[in-house]
Amino acid sequence: GEDVEQSLFLSVREGDSSVINCTYTDSSSTYLYWYKQEPGAGLQLLTYIFSNMDMKQDQRLTVLLNKKDKHLSLRIADTQTGDSAIYFCAESSNTGGFKTIFGAGTRLFVKA
Amino acid sequence: GAVVSQHPSRVICKSGTSVKIECRSLDFQATTMFWYRQFPKQSLMLMATSNEGSKATYEQGVEKDKFLINHASLTLSTLTVTSAHPEDSSFYICSAHAGGDHTDTQYFGPGTRLTVL
Repeated sequence: GEDVEQSLFLSVREGDSSVINCTYTDSSSTYLYWYKQEPGAGLQLLTYIFSNMDMKQDQRLTVLLNKKDKHLSLRIADTQTGDSAIYFCAESSNTGGFKTIFGAGTRLFVKA
Repeated sequence: GAVVSQHPSRVICKSGTSVKIECRSLDFQATTMFWYRQFPKQSLMLMATSNEGSKATYEQGVEKDKFLINHASLTLSTLTVTSAHPEDSSFYICSAHAGGDHTDTQYFGPGTRLTVL
């Protein structure tokens, strides 16, 4: 079945860039997402990218997609302490309805 | 942005009792709602997809008689954990899908932490 994998933990210094990586297995994935979960809060959609795109930039966020390798990354420029959260990679496909498969989440810890 | 609420946020119950969790979309109508279960340091596991007015679609391995889902209106879905046992203790999250396209985002509730003693 479909699977999404990501590393569980990342620690960076304030002001540095953070890069969170994700791999997925479903070759029919059409939409790939990055969600953010802060303590005690629900998941918040940060950004998404269509599978026919290589890159998407939105302010401090840059998403890179390597469809051949089924690899997705999220780069956060000038990381701030407020960026500390769990970041989930997720995918859905046109063949799966709106069913979304999530990775385990990467906990980002930003050191001041 | 759109808001999804869950009630209760925390619940502690005795083994063998049933617990109902509500998921409401507060300012939009949700054609589809999803129920997830999240274990510590693990991904969200999709339990079921519910569409208003029809039976929920359960994922493989999820017991439909144990996790009863009712999607009575476009703004409310409920998950009832029947005859709960300690292994059902988890964080349950719902999400609501507002539109007919993948790019219409899912909005997530804050989650309900269930502890079964």
